Amino acid sequence: LAKTTQPISMDSYEGQEVNITCSHNNIATNDYITWYQQFPSQGPRFIIQGYKTKVTNEVASLFIPADRKSSTLSLPRVSLSDTAVYYCLVGDRGGYNKLIFGAGTRLAVHP
Amino acid sequence: GAGVSQTPSNKVTEKGKYVELRCDPISGHTALYWYRQSLGQGPEFLIYFQGTGAADDSGLPNDRFFAVRPEGSVSTLKIQRTERGDSAVYLCASSVTGDRGDTIYFGEGSWLTVV
Repeated sequence: LAKTTQPISMDSYEGQEVNITCSHNNIATNDYITWYQQFPSQGPRFIIQGYKTKVTNEVASLFIPADRKSSTLSLPRVSLSDTAVYYCLVGDRGGYNKLIFGAGTRLAVHP
Repeated sequence: GAGVSQTPSNKVTEKGKYVELRCDPISGHTALYWYRQSLGQGPEFLIYFQGTGAADDSGLPNDRFFAVRPEGSVSTLKIQRTERGDSAVYLCASSVTGDRGDTIYFGEGSWLTVV
């Protein structure tokens, strides 16, 4: 059963803002929304996490509407080094933080 | 500080052989996870440890796979009678408590190739 749905791929250009939207219609009350970035031949790297409204850190912003059925990862002014796979995750059933990965979104940033 | 450390980074083994993959989590992290990632796919959950005990091993594909964490820190993933289909990157991750909302940190993975 799919927990999240996100675009398979996206293309952008250097200096642009990139927004990746993820759907999670069945999110549970106690689920957090977490985004990871993965470069080839590396492990996933935590980007940002939120529960509701807006979260911002030095890397990205995460926008979560009131119904929490979707979220948008915003990457300001991307560079070539932002080319990676981005995963949107929500928790799974159980009393602990269990991340179930989908296929992610392959972002390609072009010069 | 040091991140999650995994050894070996690369392992090539023959079909039918036994393999051990080691994970050294971030110091003080009680929660430890193993994932497996095949080419072009997202990581697949294998097992979760809370302290020394395997709290959730529902992702282990069959009884050839086994993992231990005897002292609540280092963990070893053991694969018996390896098959070519076991070729993948095996990722270890850890977090402080394992509670929802707790950030999970991944290692760089152990690349296993079964020939």
